[in-house]
Amino acid sequence: SQQGEEDPQALSIQEGENATMNCSYKTSINNLQWYRQNSGRGLVHLILIRSNEREKHSGRLRVTLDTSKKSSSLLITASRAADTASYFCATAAYSGAGSYQLTFGKGTKLSVIP
Amino acid sequence: KAGVTQTPRYLIKTRGQQVTLSCSPISGHRSVSWYQQTPGQGLQFLFEYFSETQRNKGNFPGRFSGRQFSNSRSEMNVSTLELGDSALYLCASSLAPSGIRQETQYFGPGTRLLVL
Repeated sequence: SQQGEEDPQALSIQEGENATMNCSYKTSINNLQWYRQNSGRGLVHLILIRSNEREKHSGRLRVTLDTSKKSSSLLITASRAADTASYFCATAAYSGAGSYQLTFGKGTKLSVIP
Repeated sequence: KAGVTQTPRYLIKTRGQQVTLSCSPISGHRSVSWYQQTPGQGLQFLFEYFSETQRNKGNFPGRFSGRQFSNSRSEMNVSTLELGDSALYLCASSLAPSGIRQETQYFGPGTRLLVL
């Protein structure tokens, strides 16, 4: 079952604009991670935010986490054509027996038009 | 350091056959997780192995199985293939299993399986 749900499903912007993607989840989490996937290839880890953190930055990426609303957002500033990809949020939640399971949303497809 | 490698990259099988996919983690990584990605269901967790032991399993039928070797390489097997098994199968490795630390998973390029 999907834990994280991204919104919007697809986003098309002009190069240079900012892109914001949102992720909502249902249960308590240990951390939330964002990944990028280029056209049916493997996923690339972008950023991890712990449940006790509210905001994190990495280059042009800014992630926020609101555990009270069970939501996160990923902001990509000054987008480039190379940012065109699908973006997934993944929540790490306790699954029993000392393990955490990473559950992915269905992703947001971002198109950056040159 | 070489990344996660998966073989084969592409595979075509027919219904009823079985298939074995292989994953070699990043050197030093001892945890390997497998995921199935389809357009309809998205990315779904299959299982996680650490030190040759399955630590976690997703909601997949028993036709899906896996194992991990002493060198941390992992294989997953799907028996009696169904059309719905057509998917991109992704393997990810990390230093430690999920829950020990907040580990980043590094993904391989995937094996695209087509079942006819």
